[in-house]
Amino acid sequence: NAGVTQTPKFRVLKTGQSMTLLCAQDMNHEYMYWYRQDPGMGLRLIHYSVGEGTTAKGEIPDGYNVSRLKKQNFLLGLESAAPSQTSVYFCASTFGDTDTQYFGPGTRLTVL
Amino acid sequence: GQNIDQPTEMTATEGAIVQINCTYQTSGFNGLFWYQQHAGEAPTFLSYNVLDGLEEKGRFSSFLSRSKGYSYLLLKELQMKDSASYLCAVLDSNYQLIWGAGTKLIIKP
Repeated sequence: NAGVTQTPKFRVLKTGQSMTLLCAQDMNHEYMYWYRQDPGMGLRLIHYSVGEGTTAKGEIPDGYNVSRLKKQNFLLGLESAAPSQTSVYFCASTFGDTDTQYFGPGTRLTVL
Repeated sequence: GQNIDQPTEMTATEGAIVQINCTYQTSGFNGLFWYQQHAGEAPTFLSYNVLDGLEEKGRFSSFLSRSKGYSYLLLKELQMKDSASYLCAVLDSNYQLIWGAGTKLIIKP
Protein backbone atom coordinates (compact mmCIF):
# COMPACT_ATOMS: atom_id res chain seq x y z
CA ASN A 1 0.00 0.00 0.00
CA ALA A 2 1.32 3.38 -1.01
CA GLY A 3 -1.04 5.21 1.39
CA VAL A 4 -1.56 8.82 0.31
CA THR A 5 0.56 10.13 -2.56
CA GLN A 6 0.82 13.62 -4.01
CA THR A 7 2.03 14.82 -7.40
CA PRO A 8 4.14 16.86 -7.94
CA LYS A 9 6.46 17.18 -4.93
CA PHE A 10 7.81 20.58 -5.95
CA ARG A 11 6.63 23.23 -8.40
CA VAL A 12 7.54 26.79 -9.30
CA LEU A 13 4.92 28.90 -11.07
CA LYS A 14 4.79 32.42 -12.40
CA THR A 15 1.96 34.71 -11.33
CA GLY A 16 -1.12 34.02 -13.41
CA GLN A 17 -0.21 30.49 -14.40
CA SER A 18 -2.48 27.57 -13.61
CA MET A 19 -1.76 24.11 -12.27
CA THR A 20 -3.39 21.04 -10.78
CA LEU A 21 -2.18 19.10 -7.76
CA LEU A 22 -3.09 15.45 -7.66
CA CYS A 23 -3.77 13.44 -4.51
CA ALA A 24 -4.31 9.69 -4.63
CA GLN A 25 -5.08 7.22 -1.85
CA ASP A 26 -5.32 3.44 -1.93
CA MET A 27 -6.97 2.92 1.46
CA ASN A 28 -10.57 3.13 0.22
CA HIS A 29 -11.14 6.24 2.35
CA GLU A 30 -14.35 8.20 1.87
CA TYR A 31 -13.12 11.57 3.11
CA MET A 32 -10.34 13.58 1.51
CA TYR A 33 -8.95 17.00 2.38
CA TRP A 34 -6.67 19.68 1.00
CA TYR A 35 -4.72 21.83 3.48
CA ARG A 36 -2.01 24.41 3.20
CA GLN A 37 0.69 24.96 5.80
CA ASP A 38 2.47 28.28 6.24
CA PRO A 39 5.20 29.19 8.74
CA GLY A 40 3.85 30.14 12.15
CA MET A 41 0.33 29.03 11.31
CA GLY A 42 -1.65 25.87 11.76
CA LEU A 43 -2.81 23.76 8.87
CA ARG A 44 -5.72 25.47 7.13
CA LEU A 45 -8.45 23.59 5.30
CA ILE A 46 -8.98 24.66 1.68
CA HIS A 47 -11.57 22.19 0.40
CA TYR A 48 -12.71 18.73 1.33
CA SER A 49 -14.81 15.84 0.03
CA VAL A 50 -16.97 13.36 1.90
CA GLY A 51 -17.28 10.96 -1.00
CA GLU A 52 -16.91 10.43 -4.73
CA GLY A 53 -18.55 13.23 -6.68
CA THR A 54 -18.85 15.57 -3.68
CA THR A 55 -16.83 18.62 -2.68
CA ALA A 56 -17.21 21.32 -0.04
CA LYS A 57 -15.47 24.56 0.92
CA GLY A 58 -13.18 24.74 3.88
CA GLU A 59 -11.82 27.72 5.75
CA ILE A 60 -9.90 29.32 2.84
CA PRO A 61 -11.39 28.20 -0.52
CA ASP A 62 -10.87 31.39 -2.53
CA GLY A 63 -8.52 31.00 -5.49
CA TYR A 64 -8.77 27.20 -5.47
CA ASN A 65 -11.07 24.63 -7.05
CA VAL A 66 -11.33 20.89 -6.50
CA SER A 67 -12.78 17.78 -8.09
CA ARG A 68 -13.38 14.23 -6.85
CA LEU A 69 -14.39 12.27 -9.95
CA LYS A 70 -12.98 9.01 -8.60
CA LYS A 71 -13.04 7.89 -4.96
CA GLN A 72 -9.29 7.45 -4.82
CA ASN A 73 -8.35 10.82 -6.34
CA PHE A 74 -8.79 14.41 -5.17
CA LEU A 75 -7.53 17.21 -7.41
CA LEU A 76 -6.72 20.76 -6.32
CA GLY A 77 -6.61 23.43 -9.02
CA LEU A 78 -5.16 26.91 -9.06
CA GLU A 79 -6.62 28.79 -12.01
CA SER A 80 -4.47 31.94 -11.75
CA ALA A 81 -1.65 31.56 -9.25
CA ALA A 82 -0.69 34.44 -6.97
CA PRO A 83 2.42 34.88 -4.78
CA SER A 84 0.13 34.57 -1.71
CA GLN A 85 -0.44 30.95 -2.72
CA THR A 86 3.19 30.09 -2.11
CA SER A 87 2.93 27.37 0.52
CA VAL A 88 3.20 23.68 1.30
CA TYR A 89 0.05 21.83 0.32
CA PHE A 90 -0.97 18.63 2.09
CA CYS A 91 -3.62 16.16 1.11
CA ALA A 92 -5.17 13.90 3.75
CA SER A 93 -7.73 11.13 3.79
CA THR A 94 -9.77 9.23 6.36
CA PHE A 95 -12.62 6.75 6.66
CA GLY A 96 -14.90 9.10 8.58
CA ASP A 97 -14.90 12.53 10.14
CA THR A 98 -13.89 11.32 13.61
CA ASP A 99 -11.13 9.07 12.35
CA THR A 100 -7.41 9.65 12.05
CA GLN A 101 -6.37 11.59 8.99
CA TYR A 102 -3.51 10.18 6.94
CA PHE A 103 -1.38 12.72 5.13
CA GLY A 104 0.47 12.71 1.85
CA PRO A 105 4.11 13.90 1.68
CA GLY A 106 3.18 17.43 0.58
CA THR A 107 3.69 19.64 -2.47
CA ARG A 108 5.98 22.63 -2.09
CA LEU A 109 4.66 25.38 -4.38
CA THR A 110 6.40 28.67 -5.07
CA VAL A 111 4.64 31.39 -7.05
CA LEU A 112 6.94 34.09 -8.38
CA GLY B 1 -13.49 32.77 16.70
CA GLN B 2 -11.81 29.43 17.09
CA ASN B 3 -8.38 29.30 18.66
CA ILE B 4 -5.77 26.71 19.53
CA ASP B 5 -2.74 27.82 21.56
CA GLN B 6 0.53 25.95 21.93
CA PRO B 7 4.02 27.13 22.84
CA THR B 8 6.05 27.94 19.74
CA GLU B 9 9.22 26.15 20.78
CA MET B 10 10.53 24.01 23.64
CA THR B 11 13.94 22.56 24.42
CA ALA B 12 14.61 19.40 26.41
CA THR B 13 17.46 17.02 27.13
CA GLU B 14 17.82 13.49 25.81
CA GLY B 15 16.45 11.00 28.33
CA ALA B 16 14.30 13.59 30.11
CA ILE B 17 10.53 14.17 30.17
CA VAL B 18 8.73 17.04 28.45
CA GLN B 19 5.11 18.21 28.56
CA ILE B 20 3.63 20.15 25.65
CA ASN B 21 0.46 22.04 26.49
CA CYS B 22 -2.46 22.92 24.27
CA THR B 23 -5.42 25.13 25.14
CA TYR B 24 -8.39 25.53 22.87
CA GLN B 25 -11.52 27.57 22.32
CA THR B 26 -13.67 26.09 19.59
CA SER B 27 -17.27 25.94 18.48
CA GLY B 28 -18.07 22.51 19.80
CA PHE B 29 -15.78 19.62 20.60
CA ASN B 30 -15.68 16.16 19.07
CA GLY B 31 -12.20 15.12 20.07
CA LEU B 32 -8.59 16.28 20.20
CA PHE B 33 -5.70 14.91 18.16
CA TRP B 34 -1.94 15.13 18.54
CA TYR B 35 0.26 14.72 15.47
CA GLN B 36 4.02 14.65 15.07
CA GLN B 37 5.67 16.37 12.13
CA HIS B 38 9.37 16.06 11.34
CA ALA B 39 10.88 18.90 9.34
CA GLY B 40 9.98 18.65 5.67
CA GLU B 41 7.65 15.72 6.22
CA ALA B 42 3.93 15.05 6.62
CA PRO B 43 2.14 15.03 9.98
CA THR B 44 1.67 11.57 11.47
CA PHE B 45 -0.91 10.57 14.07
CA LEU B 46 0.11 10.21 17.71
CA SER B 47 -3.03 10.21 19.84
CA TYR B 48 -6.74 10.94 20.08
CA ASN B 49 -8.69 11.97 23.18
CA VAL B 50 -12.44 12.46 23.34
CA LEU B 51 -13.06 11.80 27.03
CA ASP B 52 -11.34 13.39 30.03
CA GLY B 53 -8.29 11.67 31.35
CA LEU B 54 -4.97 10.24 30.37
CA GLU B 55 -4.27 8.00 27.38
CA GLU B 56 -0.92 6.22 27.48
CA LYS B 57 0.83 4.77 24.46
CA GLY B 58 4.38 3.67 25.11
CA ARG B 59 6.63 6.67 25.77
CA PHE B 60 3.86 9.08 24.80
CA SER B 61 0.79 10.03 26.86
CA SER B 62 -1.96 12.53 26.18
CA PHE B 63 -4.28 14.16 28.69
CA LEU B 64 -7.57 15.97 28.17
CA SER B 65 -9.73 18.20 30.35
CA ARG B 66 -12.79 19.31 28.40
CA SER B 67 -14.05 21.62 31.16
CA LYS B 68 -10.75 23.54 31.06
CA GLY B 69 -10.28 23.39 27.29
CA TYR B 70 -6.86 21.93 27.91
CA SER B 71 -4.70 19.06 26.77
CA TYR B 72 -1.09 18.06 27.10
CA LEU B 73 1.24 15.62 25.40
CA LEU B 74 3.81 13.99 27.65
CA LEU B 75 6.94 12.52 26.14
CA LYS B 76 9.13 10.34 28.35
CA GLU B 77 12.70 9.04 27.90
CA LEU B 78 13.31 11.55 25.15
CA GLN B 79 15.33 10.44 22.16
CA MET B 80 17.02 12.56 19.50
CA LYS B 81 14.50 11.29 16.95
CA ASP B 82 11.73 13.00 18.97
CA SER B 83 13.00 16.36 17.67
CA ALA B 84 9.99 17.47 15.64
CA SER B 85 6.97 19.71 15.70
CA TYR B 86 3.94 18.55 17.67
CA LEU B 87 0.56 19.65 16.37
CA CYS B 88 -2.61 19.88 18.48
CA ALA B 89 -5.91 19.77 16.58
CA VAL B 90 -9.53 19.89 17.76
CA LEU B 91 -12.49 18.41 15.91
CA ASP B 92 -15.16 21.11 16.07
CA SER B 93 -18.95 20.95 15.92
CA ASN B 94 -18.81 20.65 12.10
CA TYR B 95 -16.38 17.73 12.41
CA GLN B 96 -13.59 19.80 10.90
CA LEU B 97 -10.12 19.82 12.42
CA ILE B 98 -8.91 23.15 13.78
CA TRP B 99 -5.11 23.10 14.03
CA GLY B 100 -2.69 24.80 16.34
CA ALA B 101 0.50 26.29 14.85
CA GLY B 102 2.55 23.51 16.43
CA THR B 103 5.30 23.29 19.03
CA LYS B 104 8.83 22.78 17.79
CA LEU B 105 10.63 20.47 20.20
CA ILE B 106 14.42 20.59 20.23
CA ILE B 107 16.24 17.72 21.94
CA LYS B 108 19.79 18.34 23.15
CA PRO B 109 22.27 15.57 23.98
